[in-house]
Amino acid sequence: QPVLTQPPPVSGAPGQRVTISCTGSSSNIGTGYDVHWYQQLPGTAPKLLIYANSNRPSGVPDRFSGSRSGTSASLVITGLQAEDEADYYCQSYDTSLSGVVFGGGTKLTVL
Amino acid sequence: QLQLQESGPGLVKPSETLSLTCSVSGGSISSSSYYWGWIRQPPGKGLEWIGTIYYSGRAYYNTSLKSRVTISVDTSKNQFSLNLTSVTAADTAVYYCARVRRVIAVPGADGMDVWGQGTTVTVSS
Repeated sequence: QPVLTQPPPVSGAPGQRVTISCTGSSSNIGTGYDVHWYQQLPGTAPKLLIYANSNRPSGVPDRFSGSRSGTSASLVITGLQAEDEADYYCQSYDTSLSGVVFGGGTKLTVL
Repeated sequence: QLQLQESGPGLVKPSETLSLTCSVSGGSISSSSYYWGWIRQPPGKGLEWIGTIYYSGRAYYNTSLKSRVTISVDTSKNQFSLNLTSVTAADTAVYYCARVRRVIAVPGADGMDVWGQGTTVTVSS
């Protein structure tokens, strides 16, 4: 079981807003370690989407935003577009495991 | 622009050793601003961190794989490598190498900003 918990598949119509949560614990997100989000389009490598909770790398549209609070984090996508259909993964660091941990991933379908 | 490229056998027999190399181009593996990591993804499943290495050679491993994994770095060739021993079918996966940001000195805490395209490794006799 992944250390970070993400919801089952989510969906939304073009133009809508979706939120994907990432729930951790006191040994990872709750300790204060940053959360990062990756987008994996079908058949491709993951791409860094959000780093350090809420920062977008150059080239990532501002439709994507992230936040962290307590032992959880969220990725919000507004103005959904067909090309947003992908798997989304959260990632942090766990002090008990002394290593990188990922969420199980959430598949986003654009209706 | 930095690019990473994985290479190695696509088929490995059970009980043998899986060996992959990640070649780094467009930047130096000896930068103090980055670690370098391996991540894998079994078919239809999520991402699993394997380990991370600094250019000095200091490596950090997933505790669940630690007894079978060795990650090494060759700064003269600007590449780093993964060895996974005693493989089974459960090690069948797409293996990715990635550049790991180093803002604080906690390997992997700052995210992975550049990824290779991935290489598929199948464990089968």
